[in-house]
Amino acid sequence: ETGVTQSPTHLIKTRGQQVTLRCSSQSGHNTVSWYQQALGQGPQFIFQYYREEENGRGNFPPRFSGLQFPNYSSELNVNALELDDSALYLCASSPQGGGLTDTQYFGPGTRLTVL
Amino acid sequence: AQSVTQLDSHVSVSEGTPVLLRCNYSSSYSPSLFWYVQHPNKGLQLLLKYTSAATLVKGINGFEAEFKKSETSFHLTKPSAHMSDAAEYFCVVSDPGSGGYNKLIFGAGTRLAVHP
Repeated sequence: ETGVTQSPTHLIKTRGQQVTLRCSSQSGHNTVSWYQQALGQGPQFIFQYYREEENGRGNFPPRFSGLQFPNYSSELNVNALELDDSALYLCASSPQGGGLTDTQYFGPGTRLTVL
Repeated sequence: AQSVTQLDSHVSVSEGTPVLLRCNYSSSYSPSLFWYVQHPNKGLQLLLKYTSAATLVKGINGFEAEFKKSETSFHLTKPSAHMSDAAEYFCVVSDPGSGGYNKLIFGAGTRLAVHP
């Protein structure tokens, strides 16, 4: 069984640029969530996708957007990058709708640095 | 709203001694609670979860946690620390959204150091 994978591992961008991060779900999982983890903090929920639709969003501005594809892989896009966007971005997949008791399985993350 | 508070930002133990990482939760209903571990430059790994079954939950690598409703606590313990346990530990509560989604709310984390 393949786990959650993310690409790229590291990324350096400059302020104002746009970035796309990618995530492949664990086999059999149709729900993907994205989290932002700033240095020294716990992860913060960005949004969740279920069957290609965004079904929940945290307190992040619209310049954070996403997609989920028919194979349940996902992208996180961030426009107009700001210095505070520097963080570890984590993708997590969970089975069937992501219920309250479902475990979310995390990928290794993408470290984004904005200069 | 659901929340978790990790009472210690850093814990330091000697190898072979017990580990106690403390977590209090706040929830308006019966919560689902998790402990995740994050090793340096790695993703998050689930240690254990509580979902209203047995109050004493056993996880991987010898860790366990006890759900105490009267104290609103979900402390993580291990009888004997190993050097490989050095990592960041997160107490997490599951929070349902109005659109049927489910997000995880993380505590600030406890950094566990294990000394020889």
